[in-house]
Amino acid sequence: EAQVTQNPRYLITVTGKKLTVTCSQNMNHEYMSWYRQDPGLGLRQIYYSMNVEVTDKGDVPEGYKVSRKEKRNFPLILESPSPNQTSLYFCASSYNIPTGELFFGEGSRLTVL
Amino acid sequence: QKEVEQDPGPLSVPEGAIVSLNCTYSNSAFQYFMWYRQYSRKGPELLMYTYSSGNKEDGRFTAQVDKSSKYISLFIRDSQPSDSATYLCAMRVDYKLSFGAGTTVTVRA
Repeated sequence: EAQVTQNPRYLITVTGKKLTVTCSQNMNHEYMSWYRQDPGLGLRQIYYSMNVEVTDKGDVPEGYKVSRKEKRNFPLILESPSPNQTSLYFCASSYNIPTGELFFGEGSRLTVL
Repeated sequence: QKEVEQDPGPLSVPEGAIVSLNCTYSNSAFQYFMWYRQYSRKGPELLMYTYSSGNKEDGRFTAQVDKSSKYISLFIRDSQPSDSATYLCAMRVDYKLSFGAGTTVTVRA
């Protein structure tokens, strides 16, 4: 089954404790992206990657890091999480950027205390 | 000012009604226009996309784009309880994709 898989789905952590949210897709997509979703603000792009070893900042990259060492994986790293990073995070991938069809994961709900 | 403005609702309609959703945008460079549907506790899924001004129909769904007014709409005819979800407009220029805040729709049986 074609899918984007994120882990963990739910996480409660404390300020400053490094964490990684993994994302993996099995559709051989070149483009992958991370979003956060907050009430009233919608989906905001954090980082995106057009291919292996090619990443770029989205609208809200502060406090996040990403890497794209393999085509299928695109982990999101929070080196020192803060409470304002409490959010619902989505990973997405796409095979054809111009048409804009993104395939989203199920989401990872992160709470930073 | 946000690049994409969308009325968050919520919107509650009886089954069979026409649902009308819309977004405005400020960036005239946007090239592709999309509507995503998001069910509770799920990731968004693409509903419709269009490239040019005008109408596009897909079953009970019609997407409209008016580039001159920087305004896009989604109409859902004969709405069903299964249409209850949050609808997000999205717009793309190159690799940048911008979303509206989403409108939550409830269709009452």
